[in-house]
Amino acid sequence: NAGVTQTPKFRILKIGQSMTLQCAQDMNHNYMYWYRQDPGMGLKLIYYSVGAGITDKGEVPNGYNVSRSTTEDFPLRLELAAPSQTSVYFCASSYRLANTGELFFGEGSRLTVL
Amino acid sequence: AQKITQTQPGMFVQEKEAVTLDCTYDTSDPSYGLFWYKQPSSGEMIFLIYQGSYDQQNATEGRYSLNFQKARKSANLVISASQLGDSAMYFCAMREGNTGGFKTIFGAGTRLFVKA
Repeated sequence: NAGVTQTPKFRILKIGQSMTLQCAQDMNHNYMYWYRQDPGMGLKLIYYSVGAGITDKGEVPNGYNVSRSTTEDFPLRLELAAPSQTSVYFCASSYRLANTGELFFGEGSRLTVL
Repeated sequence: AQKITQTQPGMFVQEKEAVTLDCTYDTSDPSYGLFWYKQPSSGEMIFLIYQGSYDQQNATEGRYSLNFQKARKSANLVISASQLGDSAMYFCAMREGNTGGFKTIFGAGTRLFVKA
């Protein structure tokens, strides 16, 4: 039972490069989320999705894009990477039920922009 | 607007004693859920406990309990009989059920140090 799988686990980018963080879940969860966690800080919501074809901005969406073509996959695209995007990125998913249902997290992807 | 506040950046507790980690929240949605997560130094996020806004009883899960005071908009985590393995970051989180579109936001976290 894989749960939430994120790739890559580590990546170094140069300023201005682009990349996609992959996220897949095998639990048939409708809700999926992308968070970033800066050192010593809490998690900030970047984007989230309540189902295939539906996405919405979170607290810090600038510089990122997402898509949700299937229930299983929720990739996060970084365009024109900047040093401020150096962070650990977490993908998470949860059940459809309103309010209830904890988040299931991936192991995180550590991104450094130099 | 949806908001979570954790005012204790760091806390110390003696092994085997109880500790309370504070969390206050703000929402205009009558339907919401409150969560606590633990993040050890290894980095993974571990779900601890959940409280629904309509739940009459405080949630409990083993050594964890959630002191839910709805009128004060607080959802403090109580860890009883602290263990060395409880040393970690702890995050309070909230999901609004209706107006918030089911997004979950987190507080800044509290780092707990358990002393032997």
